[in-house]
Amino acid sequence: DIQMTQSPSSLSASVGDRVTITCRASQDIRNDLGWYQQKPGKAPKGLIYAASSLQSGVPSRFSGSGSGTEFTLTISSLQPEDFATYYCLQHNNYPPLTFGGGTKVEI
Amino acid sequence: QVQLVQSGTEVKKPGASVKVSCKASGYTFTSYDINWVRQATGQGLEWMGWMNPNSGYTGYAQKFQGRVTMTRDTSISTAYMELSSLRSDDTAIYYCARVMGPIDFWGQGTLVTVSS
Repeated sequence: DIQMTQSPSSLSASVGDRVTITCRASQDIRNDLGWYQQKPGKAPKGLIYAASSLQSGVPSRFSGSGSGTEFTLTISSLQPEDFATYYCLQHNNYPPLTFGGGTKVEI
Repeated sequence: QVQLVQSGTEVKKPGASVKVSCKASGYTFTSYDINWVRQATGQGLEWMGWMNPNSGYTGYAQKFQGRVTMTRDTSISTAYMELSSLRSDDTAIYYCARVMGPIDFWGQGTLVTVSS
């Protein structure tokens, strides 16, 4: 099975900061990767699909890039509502699905 | 609009079984796989398995093989996940999710607590 290594596991940032989160796949997954945001007590919410396509309604400060084995989620200017945990999810050669370990973005 | 509505909180004793339901609406239930994902308190997301509601075909993560069963009732557009031989470390929120490539819709989650 494909493994997803996400880093960092947590980070501290301030409003207005540029934040970058990385996921590395154990083998080539083309662009079969999504990014999700999860707030406490809530189900995850989709942000990015196909590695770089923004889900409808998601603010443009979120962006995704990468293909193959290296992927990045960038928040260009962190807002108060962006403090949450972020996960990558690969769906290449589904099933199975594989999540990254998560990145908690804290103040 | 697409919705996945799950059944409510469950409290079970070790060794018991739990069956969580996931009622789909707003789309053709048999056209998309349903997957199940769980999350222990303070932990990450863990994929449990998938089901094709049209065929009934299923596949489970090796960790859950022999303990999990995913079924559906197409007449009421509902998927089910049953986990048996519950242990304390099965305490988690269980999510159903619609898969179209990646996951595009999630249920609200069902808390299952396993405690003696």
